[in-house]
Amino acid sequence: AQSVTQPDARVTVSEGASLQLRCKYSYSATPYLFWYVQYPRQGLQMLLKYYSGDPVVQGVNGFEAEFSKSDSSFHLRKASVHWSDSAVYFCAVSGTGGYKVVFGSGTRLLVSP
Amino acid sequence: DTTVKQNPRYKLARVGKPVNLICSQTMNHDTMYWYQKKPNQAPKLLLFYYDKILNREADTFEKFQSSRPNNSFCSLYIGSAGLEYSAMYLCASSRGGSDYTFGSGTRLLVI
Repeated sequence: AQSVTQPDARVTVSEGASLQLRCKYSYSATPYLFWYVQYPRQGLQMLLKYYSGDPVVQGVNGFEAEFSKSDSSFHLRKASVHWSDSAVYFCAVSGTGGYKVVFGSGTRLLVSP
Repeated sequence: DTTVKQNPRYKLARVGKPVNLICSQTMNHDTMYWYQKKPNQAPKLLLFYYDKILNREADTFEKFQSSRPNNSFCSLYIGSAGLEYSAMYLCASSRGGSDYTFGSGTRLLVI
């Protein structure tokens, strides 16, 4: 069965600094990988997804993530964070077809001024 | 309109009483999902409908029921609520299993 580990429950960075949120997945076959974000009082929104091809995928608002099969990781990055990026970020994995997406427990990002 | 709507936003229920949560989408998505989210935990898939076919997770099989009377609506039913059911319930929809669209959730408190 697939699983996702987000080792950092909370991350605090200064506005303008770079960001990396870590994600490790476990899946026996080729995974579909996702990052979702949840702003206060809103539903989860997909930031980006990886199905195949170039291991670096671009998402919305300047986010990108890199798939590493050897490391079973799918870390999220952003070059320069803004205060509005403060939210909870979820990494997720599914098998081919995308049904039954399994989420990590999330990382709460706080961007300080 | 690319939204998933969930009603109500907050729900208070008594232990032992039934609970019915509603979700709707107007995107003509073929699949609708229900997740349970507790604080500091990952969203947990409870069940999903692919068209008219209901798929329930093995570990929550007997705790939750669902119905999908038409393509747009899906409900989550708890027959007898217990304190452990207090959580945020997230509904999502997708076409063909990709690119989920989530609703804002219903926060259920069982007392």
